[in-house]
Amino acid sequence: AQKVTQAQTEISVVEKEDVTLDCVYETRDTTYYLFWYKQPPSGELVFLIRRNSFDEQNEISGRYSWNFQKSTSSFNFTITASQVVDSAVYFCALSEARYGNKLVFGAGTILRVKS
Amino acid sequence: DTGVSQNPRHKITKRGQNVTFRCDPISEHNRLYWYRQTLGQGPEFLTYFQNEAQLEKSRLLSDRFSAERPEGSISTLTIQRTEQRDSAMYRCASSLGGQGNEQFFGPGTRLTVL
Repeated sequence: AQKVTQAQTEISVVEKEDVTLDCVYETRDTTYYLFWYKQPPSGELVFLIRRNSFDEQNEISGRYSWNFQKSTSSFNFTITASQVVDSAVYFCALSEARYGNKLVFGAGTILRVKS
Repeated sequence: DTGVSQNPRHKITKRGQNVTFRCDPISEHNRLYWYRQTLGQGPEFLTYFQNEAQLEKSRLLSDRFSAERPEGSISTLTIQRTEQRDSAMYRCASSLGGQGNEQFFGPGTRLTVL
């Protein structure tokens, strides 16, 4: 069964702190894809990153980095030196090729960055 | 702006009425998805199309819901005999075909059923 768990409902940090958002997934497939999306207060869903199950290399993009570990079924997201503009709801999602790439989302983590 | 548009952006209706939402995907995307998002939750998959073919429907999609994509481009989602529990944000997304391509989401249609 496909499932994504984001155990952190809400995180509050002060600007410039680093913060890690956790994501744990369940799948029986060997070929799958993991995603992170950002939903700012304006409400749109913004694609951040995609990883496939065969590529466990960590990725860094500016202040954002992602740590994919198949051994623990986790795909965690770290924001370095957080900024107020990072305040949003962040969703982790999973898709499996045999299910037409439909996305299964976690419940999301609300990140509040205070100045 | 992701390039996916939806209208209307907001819809208020009375229980029992029918409503229809429209999604205009990115033009070269052959896959189109519909999701429903309620407060405090991530989007939940409803259905998806590859070109004009509807390939999967979620068990969440009761027989009051129908979706079409007759020419493989614009899609509509219709809810008949709306109920208060249908109140939610309805989002569409589009992607290129192939495995694991990222989906680009529209701004959503917020439905309120009174």
